[in-house]
Amino acid sequence: DQQVKQNSPSLSVQEGRISILNCDYTNSMFDYFLWYKKYPAEGPTFLISISSIKDKNEDGRFTVFLNKSAKHLSLHIVPSQPGDSAVYFCAASSISSGSARQLTFGSGTQLTVLP
Amino acid sequence: KAGVTQTPRYLIKTRGQQVTLSCSPISGHRSVSWYQQTPGQGLQFLFEYFSETQRNKGNFPGRFSGRQFSNSRSEMNVSTLELGDSALYLCASRPTGVNSPLHFGNGTRLTVT
Repeated sequence: DQQVKQNSPSLSVQEGRISILNCDYTNSMFDYFLWYKKYPAEGPTFLISISSIKDKNEDGRFTVFLNKSAKHLSLHIVPSQPGDSAVYFCAASSISSGSARQLTFGSGTQLTVLP
Repeated sequence: KAGVTQTPRYLIKTRGQQVTLSCSPISGHRSVSWYQQTPGQGLQFLFEYFSETQRNKGNFPGRFSGRQFSNSRSEMNVSTLELGDSALYLCASRPTGVNSPLHFGNGTRLTVT
């Protein structure tokens, strides 16, 4: 059972436009959410995170929105640049036993920004 | 500061063999996690080690095991390899702090033939 779902395997947008990547989760115990970006032949790199006590977090061109009632989060990239072309993974976590956080990842969305 | 280092980058093994993958975390990071990435499946959590102790374990068979050494370096072992074990294996470390993000290495691409 996938607890974190990214239903769009791919997304194409024009350079300069907004990219919106979506993520849904089912586990109500998740209280911390992250987005990672992955280029081919490299490991994922951390992009932005949000705690469940917030509904929005911004970092430059990247904004993450959290809708707890809908169990939905989204990543907005404005304006999109060709260098943003990568696979984006949504991840969620909760405090597990021993105060350790275990991340559950979605299957990823391939973003292509067209020049 | 050097990033997370994984060796080897690529590995080809045959069914039934065993394999050991290595991971050196970022200096000062005591937590090391392992993930398996297969096409369309995202990243599946294998296990996490902290101070040489396994702290969490994912839903993988006992053929998958790991350990962590006193210098925080970690190894992952897969015994009796199956074709379905072909994947990118990613190691990640993170500093102390409950919400600190994972820092990933570039992974080991394992192909089982």
